[in-house]
Amino acid sequence: AQSVTQLGSHVSVSEGALVLLRCNYSSSVPPYLFWYVQYPNQGLQLLLKYTTGATLVKGINGFEAEFKKSETSFHLTKPSAHMSDAAEYFCAVSDTGNQFYFGTGTSLTVIP
Amino acid sequence: GAGVSQSPSNKVTEKGKDVELRCDPISGHTALYWYRQSLGQGLEFLIYFQGNSAPDKSGLPSDRFSAERTGGSVSTLTIQRTQQEDSAVYLCASSPRPGEETQYFGPGTRLLVL
Repeated sequence: AQSVTQLGSHVSVSEGALVLLRCNYSSSVPPYLFWYVQYPNQGLQLLLKYTTGATLVKGINGFEAEFKKSETSFHLTKPSAHMSDAAEYFCAVSDTGNQFYFGTGTSLTVIP
Repeated sequence: GAGVSQSPSNKVTEKGKDVELRCDPISGHTALYWYRQSLGQGLEFLIYFQGNSAPDKSGLPSDRFSAERTGGSVSTLTIQRTQQEDSAVYLCASSPRPGEETQYFGPGTRLLVL
């Protein structure tokens, strides 16, 4: 079975600092990988996804993630944090596409 | 355009009662998913519908949980004889096709079982 581990349930960064949210997965086949964001009192929305092709994926709001097969990782980064980035971030993996496995989420706080 | 909608947005019920949660997916989306989001637990897959195929029910936690999708569109998740541990946010998502496609999530139904 597939699984997703997000290291750090809470991450705090200063405004303007690098954002790094970690995601490791287990999958027996090449996976589809996703990052979703949930802003306060809103539904989940897609930030970015990796399916095939280029391993560095760019998403909305300046976020990007790199699929590293050798490390089974799909960490999310943003060079400079903005106050509006404060939210809950979820990493997800799917192999067949029928089932999606989500991590437990990382709550990002941005300190002014 | 209209997104995924869910109703009710909040539901408070007494232990032992049955509840029905509704999901209206985006028009034309053939795939529909139900998840449960508990505090500190992330999203737990419950059930998946794809077109007219038999649903994947492998995530349902007990036989008190069931779901149906009528006419390939609206879906209803039913929880019978609710328990306090059923309290959570129930999320519905749809996508144009299964596989690598993005899922579009509804706002969720927050269920509280007293």
